[in-house]
Amino acid sequence: AQSVTQLGSHVSVSEGALVLLRCNYSSSVPPYLFWYVQYPNQGLQLLLKYTSAATLVKGINGFEAEFKKSETSFHLTKPSAHMSDAAEYFCAVSGWYSSASKIIFGSGTRLSIRP
Amino acid sequence: IAGITQAPTSQILAAGRRMTLRCTQDMRHNAMYWYRQDLGLGLRLIHYSNTAGTTGKGEVPDGYSVSRANTDDFPLTLASAVPSQTSVYFCASSGANYNEQFFGPGTRLTVL
Repeated sequence: AQSVTQLGSHVSVSEGALVLLRCNYSSSVPPYLFWYVQYPNQGLQLLLKYTSAATLVKGINGFEAEFKKSETSFHLTKPSAHMSDAAEYFCAVSGWYSSASKIIFGSGTRLSIRP
Repeated sequence: IAGITQAPTSQILAAGRRMTLRCTQDMRHNAMYWYRQDLGLGLRLIHYSNTAGTTGKGEVPDGYSVSRANTDDFPLTLASAVPSQTSVYFCASSGANYNEQFFGPGTRLTVL
């Protein structure tokens, strides 16, 4: 079985500061891991994904995440926050449910950017 | 532009009424999914379909039904809506790479 935990339902950083959104996963098999972003009143958009290749994954809009098996973590970072980064971010792990694959989502972290 | 469309964008519905949320994709993806999003709970899977003609139950299927008559369409029906079904509903699809899902813009449903 798979599960994912996002630490912190709300994170606030200043514009230009480092963004760090935490995600820990649990998986009985090698996982695929994802970060999705949701802007207000929109659907989810894939930010980046880990599929067992490089452990450091680069995504869109300057975000990246590092897969650390020893820590069962997949934290999302961005060196310098921009106002446009304000959104809800979801970490997710893939798993199998009956005969279909599905993604198990964390409860989300809302990122606010202070001017 | 290829993608997923959902209709309606939003709806206010009286309790006890029947409602169908529509979802159409033009990416020829085999698998489709319905999620509901509630504050603090993330996304929860309602129903899924591996391919046209097959459907399965997710983690919160009660009060909902789906059908998959063809590849492109995956409607979600609330036979008799209740206030606890007030939520934002997202349809998603995935293709050959089952691990990546593409999402529609969502339907905001309010049941009074």
